Amino acid sequence: AQSVTQLDSHVSVSEGTPVLLRCNYSSSYSPSLFWYVQHPNKGLQLLLKYTSAATLVKGINGFEAEFKKSETSFHLTKPSAHMSDAAEYFCVVSDGGNQFYFGTGTSLTVIP
Amino acid sequence: GAVVSQHPSRVICKSGTSVKIECRSLDFQATTMFWYRQFPKQSLMLMATSNEGSKATYEQGVEKDKFLINHASLTLSTLTVTSAHPEDSSFYICSARVPRQGWTNSPLHFGNGTRLTVT
Repeated sequence: AQSVTQLDSHVSVSEGTPVLLRCNYSSSYSPSLFWYVQHPNKGLQLLLKYTSAATLVKGINGFEAEFKKSETSFHLTKPSAHMSDAAEYFCVVSDGGNQFYFGTGTSLTVIP
Repeated sequence: GAVVSQHPSRVICKSGTSVKIECRSLDFQATTMFWYRQFPKQSLMLMATSNEGSKATYEQGVEKDKFLINHASLTLSTLTVTSAHPEDSSFYICSARVPRQGWTNSPLHFGNGTRLTVT
């Protein structure tokens, strides 16, 4: 069975400081992992995906995530937060078929 | 590439009327599309999987007669909320995947969502 746990429902950082959004997963198979961002009243935009080719994945807008199999984690990071990063972030795991499992989301606030 | 267009972005309707929401894949063909419902401050809840040329697969607890899904072409799926009531007010989002070799790593691409308000 697949599942995703986003450990923080809300994260608050100051502009210019690092961002860490945590995600742990459980999977019976080699998973596909994704991070999405959602701004208010918008759909979800793909930030990055884990393809099994490299454990450190770089995405758009300066975000990256590291797949750690031993820790079953796929945390999202960014070295320096920008005001425009304030949004809801979702970690998603797929079994490779049509089943996608969504985390409960982390709301990121960026303080000027 | 991989753009999913959803229309309308907002709709207000009266109780008892029906509302149709369209989801289009603009630059790829989607044999499968997904419909989600999102309550405020919550994650996405999968309502149904829409299959081109066949019946949709509904998740447990979702009324198929109330949420009619039609996937008549490879680029268009529609969700019709029939006899809408205020409790149907919500944010509805569609998504699709780009068919390619090795589905495993093919991500979902989302529409911008539809805010439905039933008065």
